[in-house]
Amino acid sequence: AQKITQTQPGMFVQEKEAVTLDCTYDTSDPSYGLFWYKQPSSGEMIFLIYQGSYDQQNATEGRYSLNFQKARKSANLVISASQLGDSAMYFCAMREGGTSGSRLTFGEGTQLTVNP
Amino acid sequence: EPEVTQTPSHQVTQMGQEVILRCVPISNHLYFYWYRQILGQKVEFLVSFYNNEISEKSEIFDDQFSVERPDGSNFTLKIRSTKLEDSAMYFCASTPQGVLNEQYFGPGTRLTVT
Repeated sequence: AQKITQTQPGMFVQEKEAVTLDCTYDTSDPSYGLFWYKQPSSGEMIFLIYQGSYDQQNATEGRYSLNFQKARKSANLVISASQLGDSAMYFCAMREGGTSGSRLTFGEGTQLTVNP
Repeated sequence: EPEVTQTPSHQVTQMGQEVILRCVPISNHLYFYWYRQILGQKVEFLVSFYNNEISEKSEIFDDQFSVERPDGSNFTLKIRSTKLEDSAMYFCASTPQGVLNEQYFGPGTRLTVT
């Protein structure tokens, strides 16, 4: 079974509007972390936001917020006030276990296009 | 801000040749990783390294792959006899010891096997 599922291969949004990128995960480990990375066409992996399984509040980083619904095992990324520079591939990832040494497992990604 | 660096940015090699991809993790980090991304696909874990030994490896990381930390700064991935299907972007990442920190990724090395 897929550990990370991103059901939207592609998403389009108008500049200045908000967009939600979906991510569901599957784990039986009570301790895990959820991450979102941005990959522009240049190829690098840019960390955006992190949510721990024990965090009580949803994570926020500037225009990025993570809608964490633990019971539904979802960790959707919300980008507010989209900018043209937000056009990129977005990957959801999970690390299981209580140590920082564990591997990241990535989803298939969502290609976001921001239209002017 | 400290960052992970990787060299070369692009490597072209012939099938059957050995390649070494190099990474310099962030200096106070303790865990090191290699991931690969075949063009148009998701990022896949290859191997993690801690305390001078492999701590975890995936099924992709077979006998043709090896990793080494030859000195206090470099972290290398060697592919002994490259195949066409090894063509991919290879990312190095590192993380400090702590509770569920992010993994800091390098810019990647694009490997093309012809």
